[in-house]
Amino acid sequence: GIQVEQSPPDLILQEGANSTLRCNFSDSVNNLQWFHQNPWGQLINLFYIPSGTKQNGRLSATTVATERYSLLYISSSQTTDSGVYFCAVDSGGSNYKLTFGKGTLLTVNP
Amino acid sequence: KAGVTQTPRYLIKTRGQQVTLSCSPISGHRSVSWYQQTPGQGLQFLFEYFSETQRNKGNFPGRFSGRQFSNSRSEMNVSTLELGDSALYLCASSFGSAGGSGNTIYFGEGSWLTVV
Repeated sequence: GIQVEQSPPDLILQEGANSTLRCNFSDSVNNLQWFHQNPWGQLINLFYIPSGTKQNGRLSATTVATERYSLLYISSSQTTDSGVYFCAVDSGGSNYKLTFGKGTLLTVNP
Repeated sequence: KAGVTQTPRYLIKTRGQQVTLSCSPISGHRSVSWYQQTPGQGLQFLFEYFSETQRNKGNFPGRFSGRQFSNSRSEMNVSTLELGDSALYLCASSFGSAGGSGNTIYFGEGSWLTVV
């Protein structure tokens, strides 16, 4: 099945700093989503982005499908951005599921 | 509109018991899928249902089962609980096929299961 690798596994920032999280995948995808897992466990949708670029406030994401990677940018980070960020993909066909990376644990210090 | 609702949120069970978890999808969503999250294995796919039909199942033993009702609500059941079943169980819904092109998947808050 499709493989998803996220980097870095851990990231520590000071409030106000910018960061880039990366997601590499091993096959073509028809669905790619970025999630933020809050301290209570819920996965919050950030972007649906199988290709192209999107922006939402301080967050933006770019997926280069031909090169099989996606980037999540966080600008002017805040302590509330802390948590685990997951990239999840589906390669289509009859999978009907998302395959998740292991996540990036982001800690933003005040 | 209301998001994906999972009940119960927290539960403690004893080895050998069984447990049933419930999930109500976003109104109008027909696909419901379940995931298990543990520190060691990360997020793993359990199964996906669409219009009461299970279309895919992950690599889990037969003790894990599920179903979907005509109103799209879903339940999953784990029988003969083992310590290793302790995990966060997440339910997700989407309008069309889970994981399909154009279909954003939305997750509930999860059910924290502890097996003692």
